Amino acid sequence: AQSVTQLDSQVPVFEEAPVELRCNYSSSVSVYLFWYVQYPNQGLQLLLKYLSGSTLVKGINGFEAEFNKSQTSFHLRKPSVHISDTAEYFCAVMKTSYDKVIFGPGTSLSVIP
Amino acid sequence: DGGITQSPKYLFRKEGQNVTLSCEQNLNHDAMYWYRQDPGQGLRLIYYSQIVNDFQKGDIAEGYSVSREKKESFPLTVTSAQKNPTAFYLCASSIARASHSYEQYFGPGTRLTVT
Repeated sequence: AQSVTQLDSQVPVFEEAPVELRCNYSSSVSVYLFWYVQYPNQGLQLLLKYLSGSTLVKGINGFEAEFNKSQTSFHLRKPSVHISDTAEYFCAVMKTSYDKVIFGPGTSLSVIP
Repeated sequence: DGGITQSPKYLFRKEGQNVTLSCEQNLNHDAMYWYRQDPGQGLRLIYYSQIVNDFQKGDIAEGYSVSREKKESFPLTVTSAQKNPTAFYLCASSIARASHSYEQYFGPGTRLTVT
């Protein structure tokens, strides 16, 4: 069965510092990969997605992620965070032949002024 | 503006009562989903529907029911059989798989509290 691991449940980082949020998945078949962001008491919004092609994917708000098939990882990065980046971030996986998306448990990013 | 509407934002019910959560979309999306969110557990799929008048159970369907009579509407009923219904409920939609998009669009959520 598929699963998604986000090893860090909470990540505090100072404003303007770089950040990496880690995501690993388990699947024996081809997958699509996503990162979503959730601000307090709101729904989720897509940050970026990997379907095929270049393994480095750029998204909104200056975020990017790199797909590493051999390590089954899809880590999210931003070179310089802003206070407004404080939110919950979810990594998600979808089999290319299936309809359901599996979400990780989330990483809470707190940007410290 | 196109989007997904969930109402109400906060809902309070007494134990033993059924309650229906509303989800409406004007994105003309074929697929719709209901998720439950609990702290530290991410999102868990309750039900999903790929087409009108058809829906499938997700991973935690027990104690819930849905209908899909119209393309734009996918209401979720939390029945008295759901053992622990207090949670944040999120509705989402996506274009059909044939579009090769796969992105899900989420509503703002309904926070249900049962006492």
